[in-house]
Amino acid sequence: DADVTQTPRNRITKTGKRIMLECSQTKGHDRMYWYRQDPGLGLRLIYYSFDVKDINKGEISDGYSVSRQAQAKFSLSLESAIPNQTALYFCATSAGEFNQPQHFGDGTRLSIL
Amino acid sequence: GQNIDQPTEMTATEGAIVQINCTYQTSGFNGLFWYQQHAGEAPTFLSYNVLDGLEEKGRFSSFLSRSKGYSYLLLKELQMKDSASYLCAGLDSNYQLIWGAGTKLIIKP
Repeated sequence: DADVTQTPRNRITKTGKRIMLECSQTKGHDRMYWYRQDPGLGLRLIYYSFDVKDINKGEISDGYSVSRQAQAKFSLSLESAIPNQTALYFCATSAGEFNQPQHFGDGTRLSIL
Repeated sequence: GQNIDQPTEMTATEGAIVQINCTYQTSGFNGLFWYQQHAGEAPTFLSYNVLDGLEEKGRFSSFLSRSKGYSYLLLKELQMKDSASYLCAGLDSNYQLIWGAGTKLIIKP
C-alpha cells in the first residue's frame, strides 16, 4: 500500500464546479503539502500544514482552500474551478526536521473544461 | 527574486556518464535537494546537500558549491530506466523549497 494516497487519480470536470482532492498518509508525518505541476514549470506550492491546527498559504493559494482533518488527512478544494487550474496535483509529506525529504503521492490529474 | 536554473533537456548514451547542473539564487540557503521523476509519476528523493563537496550514493552522486550557488547530479553507468526528469530544489531561509522546472534526461541505446 502506498504511504501517501491521493484520490481521485484522474478527474475531468466543468468550469464553475466545486472539486475536492483528498490526501491521506500512513507515514506518521506532521507536515503535509499540496503542489501543482504544469509542463515546463517547477512544482508550485499551494498550501502547507505543519500540524493539525496549522495552515499556511503557499506561492499560489488564490482559488484554492485546504482542510487538515487529522494528522493523516489533508484535502484541497477548488471552490469554483476554472480552466487554468488544469494541472497535475501532488500531495506530499515530510518529517519535522527541515532537511528531511518530502514524500509524494502518485498525483491527481485534473482537467477543467 | 528566488530562482533555480537547470537545463530543460539532456541526452546521453546507455552506459555513459552524465552531469546535470543546477544553479540557485535563494534568500538564504539551507540545503539543496535532488529528486527523480519518471513521466506521469511522483517525484522521489535522491539526495540532499548542505555542505560543500561531493556525496556519493551508488551510481548517483551530488555536488554542492555554496560560494558559487551551484550543484550538479552525476549519474554513472547509465541505464535505460534512468530516463526521467531530475528536479533540483533549494531550501531557502524560511525552510521553503524552491523548485526548478526539471531536466528531462533521455537515454539512448
